[in-house]
Amino acid sequence: AQSVTQLDSHVSVSEGTPVLLRCNYSSSYSPSLFWYVQHPNKGLQLLLKYTSAATLVKGINGFEAEFKKSETSFHLTKPSAHMSDAAEYFCVVPPSGAGSYQLTFGKGTKLSVIP
Amino acid sequence: ETGVTQSPTHLIKTRGQQVTLRCSSQSGHNTVSWYQQALGQGPQFIFQYYREEENGRGNFPPRFSGLQFPNYSSELNVNALELDDSALYLCASSSGHSEETQYFGPGTRLLVL
Repeated sequence: AQSVTQLDSHVSVSEGTPVLLRCNYSSSYSPSLFWYVQHPNKGLQLLLKYTSAATLVKGINGFEAEFKKSETSFHLTKPSAHMSDAAEYFCVVPPSGAGSYQLTFGKGTKLSVIP
Repeated sequence: ETGVTQSPTHLIKTRGQQVTLRCSSQSGHNTVSWYQQALGQGPQFIFQYYREEENGRGNFPPRFSGLQFPNYSSELNVNALELDDSALYLCASSSGHSEETQYFGPGTRLLVL
C-alpha cells in the first residue's frame, strides 16, 4: 500500500522567506500525490496534484512541488512566505485502482509564519 | 468556499450517547466520503457513499454508520460514543470517480465527555 511520511510536524519561517515542507512517499511504482492545506476552522483545500504528467507541479497561492523518484520525495515549496500561509499542510495519496476510495493523509506539518 | 456544508459545527456529548452529523454535498456531486481527524493527526477515512450505497469503508467499527439520501446529502451516525471519538469529522464530496478531487466541508467538532 502507498503511504507518505511528512518529515516535520512543525515548520516556522519569517514572512518573505522561502518555505519548504517535506514529504517522502513509499510505493513500488510511481504514485499520484497531492498536497492539501487546512486553515483554522476551515475545510481542507487542494493545493496541487501530481499525476505523472510533469514532475514540477504548480499549485494555488504560489506553491509548487517537485516529484523526485530517485529520492521518493514530493516536497512543497514557496519562494516567499506570506502571513496567510500559516496553516496545516498534508501530503496525501489519492485513491488508485479498483476498490480504492479514500485519500490517505500524512500526519501533517503545521506552518507558522513570523512577521 | 467549496459548497460543502456540515452541521452542527460543534457538539458535546457524553460517553455512551449517540450522535448524528450531517453533510450537504456540492451541487453536481454524487459521492460523499467521511473522515475522522483526531487532534494533531491527519484525517482517517471512515467510509464513502456513492448513489446511496456504501462504496468503501476504512478501519472503523460498525457503531460508525451512515446514510446517503436521494439528493446526495449524507449523515454519519456514531453509537455508544467513546472518549476517543472526540475529533473533527470531515465530509468531502466528489463526482464519483476515484481520481476526482474531493471537496471538503469545514467539519463538525465533536467532544465526548
